[in-house]
Amino acid sequence: NAGVTQTPKFQVLKTGQSMTLQCAQDMNHNSMYWYRQDPGMGLRLIYYSASEGTTDKGEVPNGYNVSRLNKREFSLRLESAAPSQTSVYFCASPRGTENTGELFFGEGSRLTVL
Amino acid sequence: GENVEQHPSTLSVQEGDSAVIKCTYSDSASNYFPWYKQELGKGPQLIIDIRSNVGEKKDQRIAVTLNKTAKHFSLHITETQPEDSAVYFCAASRGYSSASKIIFGSGTRLSIRP
Repeated sequence: NAGVTQTPKFQVLKTGQSMTLQCAQDMNHNSMYWYRQDPGMGLRLIYYSASEGTTDKGEVPNGYNVSRLNKREFSLRLESAAPSQTSVYFCASPRGTENTGELFFGEGSRLTVL
Repeated sequence: GENVEQHPSTLSVQEGDSAVIKCTYSDSASNYFPWYKQELGKGPQLIIDIRSNVGEKKDQRIAVTLNKTAKHFSLHITETQPEDSAVYFCAASRGYSSASKIIFGSGTRLSIRP
C-alpha cells in the first residue's frame, strides 16, 4: 500500500528545458493536488483535480500544465523551465472514498533549474 | 480567494514548555482547518483538524482553537518533547470534499531546546 508515489525524487534542469513530474495514488480517491514548497512561503497550490478529466488552477499556476490521465495519475509539466521554478514539489490526495479532509502527501520531488 | 497567514515563522521553546502557533484566514466561507507536521525530508502529515461547528479540539498534548468571528485559529502543544521539533503548517478550505481547494500558511519551524 504505497499511498502517493512521485517520480523523479531529484532533477536538475537547464533554463528552457521541459520535464514532467509524475504522481500516482492507490487510495481510490477522486481528487489530487500539486503543491510547491519554498523557504518562507509554505506550501502553495499549483493545480488540483477534483475528479478524472477535470483540473483547476490553484494559487500559482503560471508556467505549469497538468494532466489527469486517469483516476490514479496526475502529472505536472514544465514546458520551459525557469530558475524561479526551483522548488520542492509535492503531490497529494485524500484517502478512500470518504471525505475526511485529510491529505496524504508523496515524499516530494526536488527540482533545480540552472 | 483564500489567504492564510501564519505566525511566527520560527519558534524555539524549552523542552517541557508549551508552544503556540497562530493563523488567520480571509475567506469567511472556510469551514475546515487542518494542521500538518513536516519532518525533515518528508511530506507533511495531518496531526489534528477542526471544523467550524466546534471551538476547540484536543488530542493528547495537542489542541486547536477556532474563533470564527475573528477568523483565526491556533495550535497549542503542551509538555513539548524533542520529537515535536518540525515544521508545522496550518491550512483552510471550504469543506473537505473532492472539490475543496486547500490553502496552506507559510509554516512555522519549531525547535525544542533540551
